[in-house]
Amino acid sequence: DAGVTQSPTHLIKTRGQQVTLRCSPKSGHDTVSWYQQALGQGPQFIFQYYEEEERQRGNFPDRFSGHQFPNYSSELNVNALLLGDSALYLCASSLAGTANYGYTFGSGTRLTVV
Amino acid sequence: GENVEQHPSTLSVQEGDSAVIKCTYSDSASNYFPWYKQELGKRPQLIIDIRSNVGEKKDQRIAVTLNKTAKHFSLHITETQPEDSAVYFCAASYTGGFKTIFGAGTRLFVKA
Repeated sequence: DAGVTQSPTHLIKTRGQQVTLRCSPKSGHDTVSWYQQALGQGPQFIFQYYEEEERQRGNFPDRFSGHQFPNYSSELNVNALLLGDSALYLCASSLAGTANYGYTFGSGTRLTVV
Repeated sequence: GENVEQHPSTLSVQEGDSAVIKCTYSDSASNYFPWYKQELGKRPQLIIDIRSNVGEKKDQRIAVTLNKTAKHFSLHITETQPEDSAVYFCAASYTGGFKTIFGAGTRLFVKA
């Protein structure tokens, strides 16, 4: 049973560039949430996708955008990268329509902006 | 706004001792409180959770307690082992809400 898979695992980008991160949720899950985890900090909510739509967004600028595909996989796009965007980006999958249950996290994409 | 405060930020214990991590949440609508363990370089993993209709939950050496009136919840690890060394995150969310708010984490060191 595949868990949550994210790609790439590591990425180095130059300030001002654009990046796309990918996530495939755990089998049976239909909801994908994206989190940013800076070094030594807790994960910060970016947004959540369900039924191919953004359901809720955290306190992140419009440079952060996303998409969910019919197979429930998701992409996170970040435009005009800043040095401060360097972080571990975690994808978490869950099953909607039920009471809250914990997330299944992917291993993350480590983004370094230079 | 919604916030989850967690302390201590670092905790060092001797193998076999107990460890306690405490969290406070701000949103009174919160009714689900998961705890995650993140080992170095690995993904956060759910280790235990508690819902607001329960005051305490136990799973082998770990237990969580919840005080809804005070908006406090805690993680208790007994008989700690070196493999318990990791960063632990508390979190809070609510039914009908879509985001989970995480604390800043507690780095637990268990000395052999």
